Amino acid sequence: GAVVSQHPSWVICKSGTSVKIECRSLDFQATTMFWYRQFPKQSLMLMATSNEGSKATYEQGVEKDKFLINHASLTLSTLTVTSAHPEDSSFYICSARDSESGGQPQHFGDGTRLSIL
Amino acid sequence: DAKTTQPPSMDCAEGRAANLPCNHSTISGNEYVYWYRQIHSQGPQYIIHGLKNNETNEMASLIITEDRKSSTLILPHATLRDTAVYYCIVRVLYGGATNKLIFGTGTLLAVQP
Repeated sequence: GAVVSQHPSWVICKSGTSVKIECRSLDFQATTMFWYRQFPKQSLMLMATSNEGSKATYEQGVEKDKFLINHASLTLSTLTVTSAHPEDSSFYICSARDSESGGQPQHFGDGTRLSIL
Repeated sequence: DAKTTQPPSMDCAEGRAANLPCNHSTISGNEYVYWYRQIHSQGPQYIIHGLKNNETNEMASLIITEDRKSSTLILPHATLRDTAVYYCIVRVLYGGATNKLIFGTGTLLAVQP
């Protein structure tokens, strides 16, 4: 079945540093990928839609300069949390849909747990 | 905002069928019903989706009412590994910017031994 891979699975870093998270579709092409954030005991919140070859579309309230998204190829999207602070600590999850099969469901990566000290 | 309503939690005995309800009274004619589940500390896993006919796959069955205002996900023989938060989501199959999965609060299914 379709597989979405995220890397790293967890990261701990100091406040003020930038962290890059990669999302790859392993066996299909994805013109669109999605980035979610999930705080403890809460549901997933959509942050942005990543579009291959163009700018990402951010949801209301999500700072585009804080969360940089690059979707340079049909199989890779990256999310960079710039100048991360403790309040950015969260579970970040990406998702992708096979662009060749419009009816196929979105598949999710296993998430990246980010802890900012 | 999520367009579905689910009970916050349910219990089910191991080996019995788990029936998870979902209300989506404002569903549009071109919106499908999707079910995902999230096991603790993992990404959501796709289960099943449907438009108006009942659907079945190796994981579950989806029963959609004739007026499409509600649906039920059925896990025929629940196991301890089925303990998870189950999300019911409505979404258009195609459609650009509106083609996003918006998660509600879901139902925490606890399968008891």
